[in-house]
Amino acid sequence: QEKVQQSPESLIVPEGAMVSLNCSFSDSASQSIWWYQQHPGKGPKALISIFSNGNKKEGRLTVYLNRASLHVSLHIKDSQPSDSAVYLCAVHTGNYKYVFGAGTRLKVIA
Amino acid sequence: ETAVFQTPNYHVTQVGNEVSFNCKQTLGHDTMYWYKQDSKKLLKIMFSYNNKQLIVNETVPRRFSPQSSDKAHLNLRIKSVEPEDSAVYLCASSQDTQYFGPGTRLLVL
Repeated sequence: QEKVQQSPESLIVPEGAMVSLNCSFSDSASQSIWWYQQHPGKGPKALISIFSNGNKKEGRLTVYLNRASLHVSLHIKDSQPSDSAVYLCAVHTGNYKYVFGAGTRLKVIA
Repeated sequence: ETAVFQTPNYHVTQVGNEVSFNCKQTLGHDTMYWYKQDSKKLLKIMFSYNNKQLIVNETVPRRFSPQSSDKAHLNLRIKSVEPEDSAVYLCASSQDTQYFGPGTRLLVL
């Protein structure tokens, strides 16, 4: 059964800092890896996904995937107070099933 | 913009009662999901439906039963709720990207 672990559990950074979030998973045959952002009282919102080894950039977000080490990371450049949220890593295992990590709570201080 | 709608937003009930939650998506997606999110924000999949067919049925107690009338609707019924059922229940739909509703918060007293 796929296991997804995220680190750190929580993070506080000053506005403008680069934020790095980590996610490890257990099955190298997993399909795509997704990052979601969840604000209090709201449902998760998909931010970015990656399937192939390497990196992918969208705006201030960059995601890196290394299937050999079963690791994916999300980097947020020039962080803003509005980026304060819980960030969830999810592995699409196929057959309409996703396994989520427990999340990283990010707080960006102005 | 919300395209996955859930009702009610919040529900308080007593142990042993039956509850039903509704979900509707206006995105034209083929696949819908129910997730349970606990107080520590851990999200666990419960059910997945594709074109009204049950595809994923994780190990959940038998008192939970999903109901799909068409591709746009996926409801969840809980017969005889227990205290451990207190959580946020999130509905989602996807074609590729998953879109989540705002959730239904259930409190069982």
